[in-house]
Amino acid sequence: ELKVEQNPLFLSMQEGKNYTIYCNYSTTSDRLYWYRQDPGKSLESLFVLLSNGAVKQEGRLMASLDTKARLSTLHITAAVHDLSATYFCAVQGGSEKLVFGKGTKLTVNP
Amino acid sequence: EPEVTQTPSHQVTQMGQEVILRCVPISNHLYFYWYRQILGQKVEFLVSFYNNEISEKSEIFDDQFSVERPDGSNFTLKIRSTKLEDSAMYFCASSVSRALETQYFGPGTRLLVL
Repeated sequence: ELKVEQNPLFLSMQEGKNYTIYCNYSTTSDRLYWYRQDPGKSLESLFVLLSNGAVKQEGRLMASLDTKARLSTLHITAAVHDLSATYFCAVQGGSEKLVFGKGTKLTVNP
Repeated sequence: EPEVTQTPSHQVTQMGQEVILRCVPISNHLYFYWYRQILGQKVEFLVSFYNNEISEKSEIFDDQFSVERPDGSNFTLKIRSTKLEDSAMYFCASSVSRALETQYFGPGTRLLVL
């Protein structure tokens, strides 16, 4: 059974600082996704990572994938308040369903 | 930009009542999904649907749940006899093709069972 673990679950950081969120998964995956969720809102797709060594960047967020280690990271550079949200990684492994991690609630303080 | 829409945005019901949650997937998408998120917890897969059939379902999706595509645009989730533990946010999602395509999520229906 595919399991997805994220850490940390809660992250409070100062504006301007850098930090990394980690996502480990237990079995071979086809794709790994990062989603953002604002309170009470839906899930917004940020990145799709397909292959080992894949790296994608959008603004202050950069996601990478190491399929051998079964690890993805979401790196935040010079955080700003607007990045405050919950970030989920989700893995697709041999079926249609997405298996989500528990999410990382990010709070960026001025 | 095309998006998945869901109605209602909120639904309050009494335990034992039936509810139908409605979704309009993105028009050229062929695969449809329901997920749920109990407050403060992770998002969980319920069911996937393609070509008017369930293609995959989770252990959560038991006999009280059913899905239907009654016409060319709507995709519904019916919960036959609601329980307190069915209270959650229910998300519909759709994708262009099988499995290996990004799933786009709707805004969700918040269901509260009293």
